[in-house]
Amino acid sequence: EAGVTQFPSHSVIEKGQTVTLRCDPISGHDNLYWYRRVMGKEIKFLLHFVKESKQDESGMPNNRFLAERTGGTYSTLKVQPAELEDSGVYFCASSPISRGLNNEQFFGPGTRLTVL
Amino acid sequence: SQQGEEDPQALSIQEGENATMNCSYKTSINNLQWYRQNSGRGLVHLILIRSNEREKHSGRLRVTLDTSKKSSSLLITASRAADTASYFCATAPYSSASKIIFGSGTRLSIRP
Repeated sequence: EAGVTQFPSHSVIEKGQTVTLRCDPISGHDNLYWYRRVMGKEIKFLLHFVKESKQDESGMPNNRFLAERTGGTYSTLKVQPAELEDSGVYFCASSPISRGLNNEQFFGPGTRLTVL
Repeated sequence: SQQGEEDPQALSIQEGENATMNCSYKTSINNLQWYRQNSGRGLVHLILIRSNEREKHSGRLRVTLDTSKKSSSLLITASRAADTASYFCATAPYSSASKIIFGSGTRLSIRP
């Protein structure tokens, strides 16, 4: 079974540019989460989808971040315009709905974003 | 306030020794999980312990949970070079139905 995949693995952009990160969850997983780790700090929750609906987006830092999950399959996280403080590693995770919430989440390898 | 603070921040031990990492948290939780991250790779789930459990084992891993002290420990016995990684505890608070909250992690280095 394929795990959670993320694309790209690394992105280097200039301040003010736009970047779109993609996450493909494990097939059949209705729950999809985005997290990020900036500057070696703790990994912070961004938002949670159940299928195509945003269940919790309390961790989204500001309106420069837009997450979508059209069709309830893969998800994208767009940063527009990117700022220096957005640099970090963005993780995606998924879990099956049958296990309920607050259980094991399966993480992808992350996308390392560098804003210059 | 920050949830899930690991202690120590960095740990270096000799191969074969045991490694103990601690985690403290602040709010009531449903469960506590430990994850590992190898350099440049994703997070790997190690073990989950529920709030009504006190100890759990998985292979060379032993996790304890003390909800009265709001703390947990992860013990890795007979460490190997491949155990070199960052280890994070993550809590699932009662106040949220979705997110898990990570600590800043412990960087474990195993010397050959």
